[in-house]
Amino acid sequence: SQELEQSPQSLIVQEGKNLTINCTSSKTLYGLYWYKQKYGEGLIFLMMLQKGGEEKSHEKITAKLDEKKQQSSLHITASQPSHAGIYLCGADGGGSNYKLTFGKGTLLTVNP
Amino acid sequence: DAGITQSPRHKVTETGTPVTLRCHQTENHRYMYWYRQDPGHGLRLIHYSYGVKDTDKGEVSDGYSVSRSKTEDFLLTLESATSSQTSVYFCAINPGQGYGYTFGSGTRLTVV
Repeated sequence: SQELEQSPQSLIVQEGKNLTINCTSSKTLYGLYWYKQKYGEGLIFLMMLQKGGEEKSHEKITAKLDEKKQQSSLHITASQPSHAGIYLCGADGGGSNYKLTFGKGTLLTVNP
Repeated sequence: DAGITQSPRHKVTETGTPVTLRCHQTENHRYMYWYRQDPGHGLRLIHYSYGVKDTDKGEVSDGYSVSRSKTEDFLLTLESATSSQTSVYFCAINPGQGYGYTFGSGTRLTVV
Protein backbone atom coordinates (compact mmCIF):
# COMPACT_ATOMS: atom_id res chain seq x y z
CA SER A 1 0.00 0.00 0.00
CA GLN A 2 1.08 3.56 -0.58
CA GLU A 3 2.43 5.42 2.44
CA LEU A 4 2.54 9.19 2.60
CA GLU A 5 4.77 11.03 5.01
CA GLN A 6 4.13 14.70 5.74
CA SER A 7 6.60 17.11 7.24
CA PRO A 8 6.60 18.97 9.45
CA GLN A 9 3.92 17.50 11.71
CA SER A 10 3.19 20.97 13.04
CA LEU A 11 4.27 24.46 12.19
CA ILE A 12 3.89 27.84 13.90
CA VAL A 13 4.58 30.94 11.85
CA GLN A 14 4.15 34.67 12.21
CA GLU A 15 1.57 36.32 9.99
CA GLY A 16 3.15 37.44 6.73
CA LYS A 17 5.80 34.71 6.65
CA ASN A 18 6.14 32.13 3.90
CA LEU A 19 6.04 28.42 4.66
CA THR A 20 6.34 25.03 2.97
CA ILE A 21 4.78 21.66 3.78
CA ASN A 22 6.14 18.50 2.21
CA CYS A 23 4.52 15.19 1.30
CA THR A 24 6.73 12.23 0.40
CA SER A 25 5.45 8.96 -1.00
CA SER A 26 6.82 5.43 -0.79
CA LYS A 27 5.60 4.85 -4.36
CA THR A 28 5.11 6.82 -7.54
CA LEU A 29 2.38 9.41 -7.22
CA TYR A 30 -0.25 9.26 -9.93
CA GLY A 31 -2.89 11.43 -8.33
CA LEU A 32 -1.83 13.75 -5.50
CA TYR A 33 -4.40 15.81 -3.63
CA TRP A 34 -4.06 18.60 -1.11
CA TYR A 35 -6.79 19.34 1.41
CA LYS A 36 -7.27 21.81 4.22
CA GLN A 37 -9.28 21.10 7.35
CA LYS A 38 -10.40 23.46 10.06
CA TYR A 39 -10.67 21.90 13.51
CA GLY A 40 -13.91 19.94 13.85
CA GLU A 41 -14.91 20.48 10.25
CA GLY A 42 -14.79 18.63 6.96
CA LEU A 43 -12.06 18.62 4.35
CA ILE A 44 -11.78 21.37 1.76
CA PHE A 45 -10.21 20.40 -1.56
CA LEU A 46 -7.33 22.68 -2.55
CA MET A 47 -5.56 21.20 -5.57
CA MET A 48 -4.82 18.05 -7.49
CA LEU A 49 -1.54 17.23 -9.26
CA GLN A 50 -0.94 14.41 -11.70
CA LYS A 51 2.02 15.15 -13.92
CA GLY A 52 5.69 15.24 -12.99
CA GLY A 53 6.85 18.82 -12.64
CA GLU A 54 3.28 20.10 -12.45
CA GLU A 55 2.60 23.25 -10.44
CA LYS A 56 -0.74 24.80 -9.53
CA SER A 57 -1.65 27.93 -7.63
CA HIS A 58 -4.76 29.21 -5.93
CA GLU A 59 -4.59 32.63 -4.34
CA LYS A 60 -1.46 32.50 -2.15
CA ILE A 61 -1.09 28.71 -2.11
CA THR A 62 1.12 26.87 -4.61
CA ALA A 63 1.50 23.12 -4.90
CA LYS A 64 4.16 21.28 -6.89
CA LEU A 65 4.79 17.67 -7.84
CA ASP A 66 8.43 16.81 -8.46
CA GLU A 67 9.66 15.33 -11.73
CA LYS A 68 10.08 11.87 -10.22
CA LYS A 69 6.53 12.01 -8.88
CA GLN A 70 7.41 10.91 -5.38
CA GLN A 71 7.25 14.21 -3.53
CA SER A 72 4.90 17.15 -3.43
CA SER A 73 5.22 20.47 -1.67
CA LEU A 74 2.64 23.04 -0.63
CA HIS A 75 3.88 26.60 -0.33
CA ILE A 76 1.98 29.47 1.28
CA THR A 77 3.14 32.99 0.57
CA ALA A 78 2.56 35.80 3.07
CA SER A 79 0.58 33.63 5.48
CA GLN A 80 -2.57 34.93 7.14
CA PRO A 81 -4.54 33.72 10.17
CA SER A 82 -7.13 32.37 7.72
CA HIS A 83 -4.54 29.87 6.49
CA ALA A 84 -4.45 28.16 9.88
CA GLY A 85 -5.67 24.57 10.00
CA ILE A 86 -4.61 21.04 9.18
CA TYR A 87 -3.18 20.39 5.72
CA LEU A 88 -3.49 16.87 4.39
CA CYS A 89 -1.97 15.27 1.34
CA GLY A 90 -3.72 12.31 -0.22
CA ALA A 91 -2.90 10.01 -3.12
CA ASP A 92 -4.64 7.47 -5.28
CA GLY A 93 -3.34 5.17 -7.97
CA GLY A 94 -4.46 7.34 -10.85
CA GLY A 95 -6.36 6.03 -13.88
CA SER A 96 -9.20 3.91 -12.53
CA ASN A 97 -7.55 3.21 -9.16
CA TYR A 98 -9.72 5.41 -7.00
CA LYS A 99 -8.50 4.37 -3.55
CA LEU A 100 -7.46 7.54 -1.74
CA THR A 101 -5.05 7.30 1.19
CA PHE A 102 -3.68 10.14 3.32
CA GLY A 103 -0.66 11.33 5.17
CA LYS A 104 -1.10 12.18 8.86
CA GLY A 105 -1.42 15.89 8.26
CA THR A 106 0.40 19.10 9.16
CA LEU A 107 -1.07 21.43 11.77
CA LEU A 108 -0.45 25.06 10.81
CA THR A 109 -0.78 27.89 13.32
CA VAL A 110 -0.46 31.47 12.12
CA ASN A 111 0.07 34.04 14.83
CA PRO A 112 -1.12 37.58 14.17
CA ASP B 1 -22.58 21.38 -0.12
CA ALA B 2 -21.44 19.35 -3.13
CA GLY B 3 -24.41 16.98 -2.71
CA ILE B 4 -23.09 14.78 0.10
CA THR B 5 -24.62 14.54 3.56
CA GLN B 6 -23.86 12.41 6.58
CA SER B 7 -26.21 11.42 9.36
CA PRO B 8 -26.25 11.63 12.25
CA ARG B 9 -23.76 14.43 12.89
CA HIS B 10 -23.22 13.37 16.48
CA LYS B 11 -23.93 10.14 18.30
CA VAL B 12 -23.21 8.70 21.71
CA THR B 13 -23.73 4.98 22.10
CA GLU B 14 -22.95 2.25 24.58
CA THR B 15 -20.35 -0.47 24.17
CA GLY B 16 -21.79 -3.53 22.50
CA THR B 17 -24.65 -1.82 20.69
CA PRO B 18 -24.97 -1.75 16.90
CA VAL B 19 -24.58 1.58 15.16
CA THR B 20 -25.24 2.58 11.55
CA LEU B 21 -23.97 5.74 9.93
CA ARG B 22 -25.44 6.96 6.68
CA CYS B 23 -23.84 8.74 3.76
CA HIS B 24 -26.11 10.14 1.08
CA GLN B 25 -25.12 11.69 -2.24
CA THR B 26 -27.28 13.46 -4.79
CA GLU B 27 -24.77 13.34 -7.64
CA ASN B 28 -24.94 9.72 -8.82
CA HIS B 29 -21.20 9.07 -8.48
CA ARG B 30 -19.95 5.52 -8.62
CA TYR B 31 -17.28 5.65 -5.90
CA MET B 32 -18.04 6.27 -2.22
CA TYR B 33 -15.78 5.96 0.81
CA TRP B 34 -15.79 5.78 4.60
CA TYR B 35 -12.86 7.10 6.63
CA ARG B 36 -12.16 7.56 10.30
CA GLN B 37 -10.01 10.36 11.67
CA ASP B 38 -8.09 10.04 14.92
CA PRO B 39 -5.36 12.17 16.49
CA GLY B 40 -1.93 10.90 15.51
CA HIS B 41 -3.32 8.67 12.75
CA GLY B 42 -4.83 11.09 10.29
CA LEU B 43 -7.53 9.85 7.96
CA ARG B 44 -7.69 6.09 7.46
CA LEU B 45 -9.81 4.30 4.89
CA ILE B 46 -12.33 1.84 6.36
CA HIS B 47 -14.28 0.62 3.32
CA TYR B 48 -15.13 1.89 -0.09
CA SER B 49 -17.65 1.12 -2.80
CA TYR B 50 -17.29 1.18 -6.57
CA GLY B 51 -20.93 0.52 -7.38
CA VAL B 52 -24.19 -0.86 -6.07
CA LYS B 53 -23.38 -3.96 -4.01
CA ASP B 54 -19.68 -3.62 -4.91
CA THR B 55 -17.53 -2.89 -1.90
CA ASP B 56 -13.97 -3.51 -0.74
CA LYS B 57 -11.95 -3.19 2.44
CA GLY B 58 -9.63 -0.38 3.37
CA GLU B 59 -6.79 -0.39 5.84
CA VAL B 60 -8.88 -0.45 9.06
CA SER B 61 -11.93 -2.54 8.18
CA ASP B 62 -12.03 -4.89 11.21
CA GLY B 63 -15.22 -4.37 13.23
CA TYR B 64 -16.98 -2.54 10.41
CA SER B 65 -19.31 -3.59 7.62
CA VAL B 66 -20.84 -1.60 4.78
CA SER B 67 -23.73 -1.84 2.40
CA ARG B 68 -24.70 -0.08 -0.77
CA SER B 69 -28.10 -1.08 -2.09
CA LYS B 70 -28.64 2.18 -3.98
CA THR B 71 -26.20 4.45 -5.79
CA GLU B 72 -26.99 7.35 -3.50
CA ASP B 73 -26.58 5.66 -0.11
CA PHE B 74 -23.53 4.08 1.52
CA LEU B 75 -24.05 2.74 5.03
CA LEU B 76 -21.37 2.01 7.61
CA THR B 77 -22.30 -0.38 10.42
CA LEU B 78 -20.51 -1.11 13.64
CA GLU B 79 -22.01 -4.47 14.58
CA SER B 80 -20.97 -4.21 18.23
CA ALA B 81 -19.45 -0.85 19.06
CA THR B 82 -16.26 -0.69 21.13
CA SER B 83 -14.55 2.27 22.78
CA SER B 84 -11.73 2.03 20.21
CA GLN B 85 -14.28 2.99 17.57
CA THR B 86 -14.81 6.38 19.14
CA SER B 87 -13.78 8.66 16.31
CA VAL B 88 -14.87 11.15 13.70
CA TYR B 89 -16.16 9.40 10.59
CA PHE B 90 -16.07 10.98 7.16
CA CYS B 91 -17.78 9.91 4.00
CA ALA B 92 -16.43 10.89 0.58
CA ILE B 93 -17.35 10.63 -3.09
CA ASN B 94 -15.16 10.62 -6.16
CA PRO B 95 -16.54 12.75 -8.98
CA GLY B 96 -14.22 11.18 -11.55
CA GLN B 97 -10.71 11.44 -12.93
CA GLY B 98 -9.20 14.86 -12.65
CA TYR B 99 -11.46 16.05 -9.87
CA GLY B 100 -10.93 16.26 -6.14
CA TYR B 101 -12.75 13.88 -3.85
CA THR B 102 -15.59 15.57 -1.96
CA PHE B 103 -16.03 14.97 1.75
CA GLY B 104 -19.05 15.12 4.01
CA SER B 105 -19.11 17.18 7.20
CA GLY B 106 -18.37 14.18 9.41
CA THR B 107 -20.05 12.19 12.17
CA ARG B 108 -18.63 12.40 15.66
CA LEU B 109 -19.21 9.02 17.32
CA THR B 110 -18.56 8.41 21.00
CA VAL B 111 -18.75 4.89 22.41
CA VAL B 112 -19.07 4.83 26.20
